[in-house]
Amino acid sequence: GQSLEQPSEVTAVEGAIVQINCTYQTSGFYGLSWYQQHDGGAPTFLSYNALDGLEETGRFSSFLSRSDSYGYLLLQELQMKDSASYFCAVNLGDSWGKLQFGAGTQVVVTP
Amino acid sequence: EAGVTQFPSHSVIEKGQTVTLRCDPISGHDNLYWYRRVMGKEIKFLLHFVKESKQDESGMPNNRFLAERTGGTYSTLKVQPAELEDSGVYFCASSQEGVDTQYFGPGTRLTVL
Repeated sequence: GQSLEQPSEVTAVEGAIVQINCTYQTSGFYGLSWYQQHDGGAPTFLSYNALDGLEETGRFSSFLSRSDSYGYLLLQELQMKDSASYFCAVNLGDSWGKLQFGAGTQVVVTP
Repeated sequence: EAGVTQFPSHSVIEKGQTVTLRCDPISGHDNLYWYRRVMGKEIKFLLHFVKESKQDESGMPNNRFLAERTGGTYSTLKVQPAELEDSGVYFCASSQEGVDTQYFGPGTRLTVL
């Protein structure tokens, strides 16, 4: 079956750096996406990796290693507004854009 | 540019009733997806439209669920008759042709009593 594993919760202080790991076992793989969701609102796209390596977008970076079936999202200079759930999602490739989501990581930022 | 919108934001119905959820994608987005998150579980894919055609409906739970996208614009997801296990948040997302980024709507929270 398909599975994505990510930690359920991470707590850190303002200004710190947090890394959220995601390992996956899926029948297909086209790319790894990261989404942020605040308090049950709309999941918001953060980053996408189709190839190995690091993608940087402001304070957020995402990394992928296809050989290890592993990726991570790096949140730098944490701010209180970064408190949210973060989901990794694999584009399975069998249907353009069909995403398989992880269970999500709750990030709690403390003062 | 308006984002993906969904209606209603909340719906509370009794078991056996019918509910229709609506999604308006971002204008010009040919791809439209439905996802669902039930309590404590991950967001799960339901189906994918390309314009008005169903590209992939492998995630639809059973034949009580019917999705349509007439004219390739907005989409509806009907649940008939609703069961208790259908409770959850139903998300719609859209994307442009050939682009990986999906834009999600705020979801419809469905509660079946």
